[in-house]
Amino acid sequence: QSALTQPRSVDGSLGQSVTISCTGTSSDVGAYNHVSWYQQHPGKAPKLILYDVSKWPSGVPNRFSGSKSGNTASLTISGLQAEDEADYYCSSYGGRYSLVFGGGTKLTVL
Amino acid sequence: EVQLVESGGGLVKPGGSLRLSCAASGFPFSIYSMNWVRQAPGKGLQWVSSITESSSHTYYADSVQGRFTIFRDNAKNSLFLQMNSLRDDDTALYYCSVTTGNFDYWGRGTLVTVSS
Repeated sequence: QSALTQPRSVDGSLGQSVTISCTGTSSDVGAYNHVSWYQQHPGKAPKLILYDVSKWPSGVPNRFSGSKSGNTASLTISGLQAEDEADYYCSSYGGRYSLVFGGGTKLTVL
Repeated sequence: EVQLVESGGGLVKPGGSLRLSCAASGFPFSIYSMNWVRQAPGKGLQWVSSITESSSHTYYADSVQGRFTIFRDNAKNSLFLQMNSLRDDDTALYYCSVTTGNFDYWGRGTLVTVSS
């Protein structure tokens, strides 16, 4: 049940794109296509922005996209907006109803 | 509207106990597995425990196995977390959540502080 590995922080300019990686193992990210991404603003609960690697929940703009290769999943945010500044967490199904989260990435929009 | 409302947090001494509750509404509670996820101050999210729809199976993070017990009352649309032998590193905001594909909802959390 080790945490997934994410960069602690990423920066991006308004209108540009950023990619956040999420590296797990062959027991979690590599084993299942149940990778989700959450956005969390300060003092708020996490909000789902992608599930099953690349699917969008209702209401989430397609500026957010996801992919996976091997044991690493990625979140790409294109056309950065000021409101995208937040913490982002990946999570993966880890087997036996367990969830494993990444350590979180702080996105700063310059 | 889906709502998850946690309660029961507070200040407790190391070695003490607390029972967290989560009142669910706005969705068919009895057909979804439920989770507890925590977030220590300034830290990331950590899965704590999950329970299947009919309570037939429960699962725990290694860090809480043997100390915490998850259970539910489907008749009352409620989820619980009994926390015993609390330690300093259990200090966190505890979220109740349902995370099944795109059916993903979280409460606002209840704060547990373990300190002497």
